[in-house]
Amino acid sequence: ETGVTQSPTHLIKTRGQQVTLRCSSQSGHNTVSWYQQALGQGPQFIFQYYREEENGRGNFPPRFSGLQFPNYSSELNVNALELDDSALYLCASSAQGGLKEETQYFGPGTRLLVL
Amino acid sequence: AQKVTQAQTEISVVEKEDVTLDCVYETRDTTYYLFWYKQPPSGELVFLIRRNSFDEQNEISGRYSWNFQKSTSSFNFTITASQVVDSAVYFCALKYNAGNMLTFGGGTRLMVKP
Repeated sequence: ETGVTQSPTHLIKTRGQQVTLRCSSQSGHNTVSWYQQALGQGPQFIFQYYREEENGRGNFPPRFSGLQFPNYSSELNVNALELDDSALYLCASSAQGGLKEETQYFGPGTRLLVL
Repeated sequence: AQKVTQAQTEISVVEKEDVTLDCVYETRDTTYYLFWYKQPPSGELVFLIRRNSFDEQNEISGRYSWNFQKSTSSFNFTITASQVVDSAVYFCALKYNAGNMLTFGGGTRLMVKP
């Protein structure tokens, strides 16, 4: 196990609602990245947080937002949910300290279903 | 722009067969990193290996081996004497030196039958 935890494991929401997903990073890691994985596809990068600030963003609309806390845990918030937001949301933690080749270790994911 | 292609969407083998999963990548960067992850039915992505672009030495870890060839932009993964527990979706991913995101391929579903 990686030590990266995510909650909840499963979630069902209806279109238009808002959702918050949570991630606790592995001990010693200061960076959290979020990915969306639609069924049958590879994960797509949403954004990354480092030292409580957004440190890069993929091609996702502003209704996808995040936070990182002083203990390096993180939240992913999605507003105005759409049916296409149904996916597995993966959180990855890594240790970033000036080097860029650090490995990202993933949590078990949160499965979100939007009805 | 970066791109990772895993042309094999699904592979089925019988236990103890050897199997190779292909990965072809595109990047303009001279320094980059390649990864393989395994995703069992539980959903968690399990890290298998990281390879730097300046290190083309092949690597073997037990029944797993990786063949990195910059000349063909490929980073293939071979499982020797496959086992049922190897059944999973395998993803190849690319990260360039100045970036912070992983670019994943579409994955290859490996089914190992007893």
